[in-house]
Amino acid sequence: DVKVTQSSRYLVKRTGEKVFLECVQDMDHENMFWYRQDPGLGLRLIYFSYDVKMKEKGDIPEGYSVSREKKERFSLILESASTNQTSMYLCASSLRLTNTEAFFGQGTRLTVV
Amino acid sequence: SQQGEEDPQALSIQEGENATMNCSYKTSINNLQWYRQNSGRGLVHLILIRSNEREKHSGRLRVTLDTSKKSSSLLITASRAADTASYFCATAPNSGGYQKVTFGTGTKLQVIP
Repeated sequence: DVKVTQSSRYLVKRTGEKVFLECVQDMDHENMFWYRQDPGLGLRLIYFSYDVKMKEKGDIPEGYSVSREKKERFSLILESASTNQTSMYLCASSLRLTNTEAFFGQGTRLTVV
Repeated sequence: SQQGEEDPQALSIQEGENATMNCSYKTSINNLQWYRQNSGRGLVHLILIRSNEREKHSGRLRVTLDTSKKSSSLLITASRAADTASYFCATAPNSGGYQKVTFGTGTKLQVIP
């Protein structure tokens, strides 16, 4: 079974802190994604990566950056956390980009105080 | 606004009954997917139906797609308490890869034992 693992289920950080969310997948998938999920807004794509060291902005990249140094690992970085970044963050991976399903991690609920 | 809009937003049924959720979308799609999310967890892929398919089954799940009406429905037969979750449709446009998939805001299903 494909496994996508996010490093933390819950995080509490202070405003202005630099925050790292880590995601690892074990199925050699080329593509990895970071979403945030907010009530009433569904899932919104922050960034995705289609190969090592390659990244593309999603719909809401402002205030975030990503890193993909190894195929299995995709990190989301909040450069300077703000309270409006309090959310559920979901990592996903997929084998292909078309006609494919995505496999999601268990989510990280981040609270910025 | 979201490409996929689920209806109803919330649904409460007795165990053993069937549950039907609907998804409407606005633009042409390549495929439509349904995902389940248990409370506070990541999403789990249920079914992918391509634009040239009209119906698909997987166990107790039946998905239909009507491209002329730009709508899809997910039917869960003989529901169980374990089916309690939120259900999302996700639409993939004709152009672009998975990064272009758009998620709806979900239907929250409660199955009462």
